[in-house]
Amino acid sequence: NAGVTQTPKFRILKIGQSMTLQCAQDMNHNYMYWYRQDPGMGLKLIYYSVGAGITDKGEVPNGYNVSRSTTEDFPLRLELAAPSQTSVYFCASSGRQGNTEAFFGQGTRLTVV
Amino acid sequence: RKEVEQDPGPFNVPEGATVAFNCTYSNSASQSFFWYRQDCRKEPKLLMSVYSSGNEDGRFTAQLNRASQYISLLIRDSKLSDSATYLCVVNVNTGRRALTFGSGTRLQVQP
Repeated sequence: NAGVTQTPKFRILKIGQSMTLQCAQDMNHNYMYWYRQDPGMGLKLIYYSVGAGITDKGEVPNGYNVSRSTTEDFPLRLELAAPSQTSVYFCASSGRQGNTEAFFGQGTRLTVV
Repeated sequence: RKEVEQDPGPFNVPEGATVAFNCTYSNSASQSFFWYRQDCRKEPKLLMSVYSSGNEDGRFTAQLNRASQYISLLIRDSKLSDSATYLCVVNVNTGRRALTFGSGTRLQVQP
């Protein structure tokens, strides 16, 4: 019973490098989200999607891009990594209504040096 | 003003104690409310939804006060395993259809 799967679990990037954080869910959820959590802080919404082909910005979208070509996958792209992007990134999904339980992946711990 | 505000704590309580957390939200159009639990370096997981009439799940009781725009979580007979960060979560359900998280309240239950 996979739920939400994120890869990689850990990554160290150099300033200016690019990478894609992968997220996949097998629950046929329409809603998917990317959050970041800085140490001792709450979760901040980066981008979200209400279905395949539809994405929208959250609170802190600068420096990131997303795509949603299928229901299952919602990758997050960092184009030019900066130290301010050092954080833990969580992908989540929820059912049709968007006001039901959100299921989270285990997170990706990213350090930019 | 933050959309969802919580006292960060930490709340240090002995085993068996009763502890309560409050959370305030700024948007009166908010429609859905939840408490999530997050263990250290782990992903958040749903603890319970919060219903208008209040609801209970074992040792946990959640209440909603729409007039004052706050929700609460009461934990009775605290266990060591309750030590975690408790996140207040609100869904406005209009426009941006995503969950808004508070910064969390840290609970440490001591033997």
